[in-house]
Amino acid sequence: SAVISQKPSRDICQRGTSLTIQCQVDSQVTMMFWYRQQPGQSLTLIATANQGSEATYESGFVIDKFPISRPNLTFSTLTVSNMSPEDSSIYLCSVGVWGAGTEAFFGQGTRLTVV
Amino acid sequence: QQQVKQSPQSLIVQKGGISIINCAYENTAFDYFPWYQQFPGKGPALLIAIRPDVSEKKEGRFTISFNKSAKQFSLHIMDSQPGDSATYFCAANQAGTALIFGKGTTLSVSS
Repeated sequence: SAVISQKPSRDICQRGTSLTIQCQVDSQVTMMFWYRQQPGQSLTLIATANQGSEATYESGFVIDKFPISRPNLTFSTLTVSNMSPEDSSIYLCSVGVWGAGTEAFFGQGTRLTVV
Repeated sequence: QQQVKQSPQSLIVQKGGISIINCAYENTAFDYFPWYQQFPGKGPALLIAIRPDVSEKKEGRFTISFNKSAKQFSLHIMDSQPGDSATYFCAANQAGTALIFGKGTTLSVSS
C-alpha cells in the first residue's frame, strides 16, 4: 500500500487566480494520477504523471489549465490555473501500485471553492 | 475513456439487510475490478477488489461477484449497518493504466 499526503486539504480562491496542490507519497511509485470529483459526481481522470516524462492528459483537460510537475518518484503537483467557479471540485491525487492490474490509493483530496 | 456503468444511483436498505450494487464494463482487456467506499469529506478508500480469474471474493460482510462472460460485477454488503452509509464506486482498469470509475451509488442504511 501507499500513504498519500495532499496539501492543502481545502481552499477558497478568487476567480482568475491559480492554486497549486501538492501530493507526497511515503514510497517511490512509478504511476501517479490526478482526478477531479465535481460535487456529487464520480471521479474523472485529469492526467497521468510519470516521473521523467510529460504528463498525459485526458480529453477535456489541457496542460495550460492544469499544469503538472513530477520531479521525483514520491512527489507531484497539480496547478489549477486561471480559476473560475466551474473549477470548484475536489482534486485527488492517486498512486498506482503494480500488480496484475493496478491498485490505486488515494489522498484525502483538496476541496477547492472558487468565488 | 472506456465506460463503467454503475447502478443504482441510490439505495436505501434497512439495517441487517443486503445491499447490492451492480457494474458493467465494456473493455475486455480490463483485469482489475475494485470497489471504493467514500464518506463525505474523505477520499475514496479501497474496499475490496477482484481479478477476472475468480468469480467471487469475500471479505467479511463484503462480497464481489464477477461474471466475465456478461462483463458484469457486483458488490454485496451483507447485514448492512448504518455505518455502511456512504458512496460506493466501482472501477476497472488494465495493468499500467488509470482506473475508470462508475458514477457511484449512495447507500443509506436505515436503523
